[in-house]
Amino acid sequence: NAGVTQTPKFQVLKTGQSMTLQCAQDMNHEYMSWYRQDPGMGLRLIHYSVGAGITDQGEVPNGYNVSRSTTEDFPLRLLSAAPSQTSVYFCASSLTSGSTDTQYFGPGTRLTVL
Amino acid sequence: SQQGEEDPQALSIQEGENATMNCSYKTSINNLQWYRQNSGRGLVHLILIRSNEREKHSGRLRVTLDTSKKSSSLLITASRAADTASYFCATALYNFNKFYFGSGTKLNVKP
Repeated sequence: NAGVTQTPKFQVLKTGQSMTLQCAQDMNHEYMSWYRQDPGMGLRLIHYSVGAGITDQGEVPNGYNVSRSTTEDFPLRLLSAAPSQTSVYFCASSLTSGSTDTQYFGPGTRLTVL
Repeated sequence: SQQGEEDPQALSIQEGENATMNCSYKTSINNLQWYRQNSGRGLVHLILIRSNEREKHSGRLRVTLDTSKKSSSLLITASRAADTASYFCATALYNFNKFYFGSGTKLNVKP
């Protein structure tokens, strides 16, 4: 199993550009989530999904969109990048509900918005 | 915010010593989990303790939970240089599919 994979590893954007961060898992997990981690801070939940076709907002959803058309994939879209979105983004998955299961994290995408 | 707070923010010890870090949170929880993050990497799950449990062990890790004080502690015994990492607590509320992470304790174990 590859576990949770994320692409790209690094990305530089200009203000106003859009892009999609990719996340995939091969463990048949129902629950997937996106976090951002800013320097010296813990992770903050952006969006999550409890299964294909079902998504919901986390703590900091503004400026981000998600969709979940398959169990395996959970892409995160930045609609119009802003410098405040400079951060490291982590995708995670767990077998069922995220609140009761171990979460498995991807290696992260380091995003810089100029 | 439900976000937990770890204490201390940074801890430096010698190899072989014990490391203790604490986590406090604000509202009732379903469970609390501890994660480790090596520099530049994703988080790795260490241990989960449910709200009706008071203590849990896993290898050199010991976690306690005091729901009356809304706090948890992680003890790493006989630390090794390889334990150098940041440690985060994450709380999960009842009936919510969300985790709330603290800001972390940065542990440095000197050989």
